[in-house]
Amino acid sequence: GNSVTQMEGPVTLSEEAFLTINCTYTATGYPSLFWYVQYPGEGLQLLLKATKADDKGSNKGFEATYRKETTSFHLEKGSVQVSDSAVYFCALSNNNNDMRFGAGTRLTVKP
Amino acid sequence: DTEVTQTPKHLVMGMTNKKSLKCEQHMGHRAMYWYKQKAKKPPELMFVYSYEKLSINESVPSRFSPECPNSSLLNLHLHALQPEDSALYLCASSQGRRGDTGELFFGEGSRLTVL
Repeated sequence: GNSVTQMEGPVTLSEEAFLTINCTYTATGYPSLFWYVQYPGEGLQLLLKATKADDKGSNKGFEATYRKETTSFHLEKGSVQVSDSAVYFCALSNNNNDMRFGAGTRLTVKP
Repeated sequence: DTEVTQTPKHLVMGMTNKKSLKCEQHMGHRAMYWYKQKAKKPPELMFVYSYEKLSINESVPSRFSPECPNSSLLNLHLHALQPEDSALYLCASSQGRRGDTGELFFGEGSRLTVL
């Protein structure tokens, strides 16, 4: 079945540091891949997505590239801010109304 | 309007109470979802409605009863819950049509405490 594995953290960085959160997936067919972010006390918000191999999703300085050969969708940001502190979830969907989430990675950015 | 609205935001109930969580979207989406999220865990799928019909039930106990009165509304009826059911309950919607990427739009959640 479909599944997502992401580094669990927690990850603690200083402001302006480089961020990578690894995500790999197992799926049949050609899934769409997503990164969602959850700030404390809130629901999940879509951060970025990619719907086919080699697509790059980007938003708010975050990027992730859909790599079919390595079944990966790693999240990166060149310079994190304190306001980026949140929990990040990698997810995939085969458009069968069944989105699968990774375990989540808690990021804390210190001034 | 790209919002999914959930009410109430907070709910405290006893084990013998009957209550309901409500969810509404006006994006024309045809799939709606209930997820349960415990602290420091990812969301767990409970139910999916597609075109107002229940399409996925992830073996959820019968003390949780979903209802989809129309394409914009989704309810979760709660009865005889246990303290371990305390969690954040998230509603989501997606286009639910052929060719859709499956992107989910989430509400803010209803935080449930069962005493």
